[in-house]
Amino acid sequence: ELKVEQNPLFLSMQEGKNYTIYCNYSTTSDRLYWYRQDPGKSLESLFVLLSNGAVKQEGRLMASLDTKARLSTLHITAAVHDLSATYFCAVDIVEDSNYQLIWGAGTKLIIKP
Amino acid sequence: DSGVTQTPKHLITATGQRVTLRCSPRSGDLSVYWYQQSLDQGLQFLIQYYNGEERAKGNILERFSAQQFPDLHSELNLSSLELGDSALYFCASSVFRETGEQYFGPGTRLTVT
Repeated sequence: ELKVEQNPLFLSMQEGKNYTIYCNYSTTSDRLYWYRQDPGKSLESLFVLLSNGAVKQEGRLMASLDTKARLSTLHITAAVHDLSATYFCAVDIVEDSNYQLIWGAGTKLIIKP
Repeated sequence: DSGVTQTPKHLITATGQRVTLRCSPRSGDLSVYWYQQSLDQGLQFLIQYYNGEERAKGNILERFSAQQFPDLHSELNLSSLELGDSALYFCASSVFRETGEQYFGPGTRLTVT
């Protein structure tokens, strides 16, 4: 079964701390995406990772992809309240010439002052 | 602003009724995707259209249907509505047929009473 698993699903942390969200997937893929969703709002594309070893950074967020381990991480450095949101990863999978985009369940991140 | 528009923004209707949600993709995008997101839930992929043709199907109920018109806008029709259909419905678009980098619209919040 094709699966994309995120952990943790819920994370409450203090401002100024560092933390990592993990995204594991169950089959071969070299294309992974991270999205952010604020409560009651739409989804916003954060990072597109298209090859093994890809690393992208934007402000206090850094995403990386290890296709051999089938793992992506989203690292938060010195968290600030504005980063509170739900973060989704999604993986492109091609099976029998059929394309599928499989979504993780999302990680709800709350950053307390 | 992603460039994807959805109407209406909010919709309140009764059980058993039928509604139509509308989506206009970003200029130049040929693919349209529909998603359902229930309260505090992840994203459920419903269906994808590419240049007017159905491209991929997810967990879409038989009571739901969609189409993409020659001008590339799309409509999602929901019929025989049930309380459990209350959710945020997102439309997303992308340039190509197969890509996970999607641009999401603001969503339509459907409340079934």
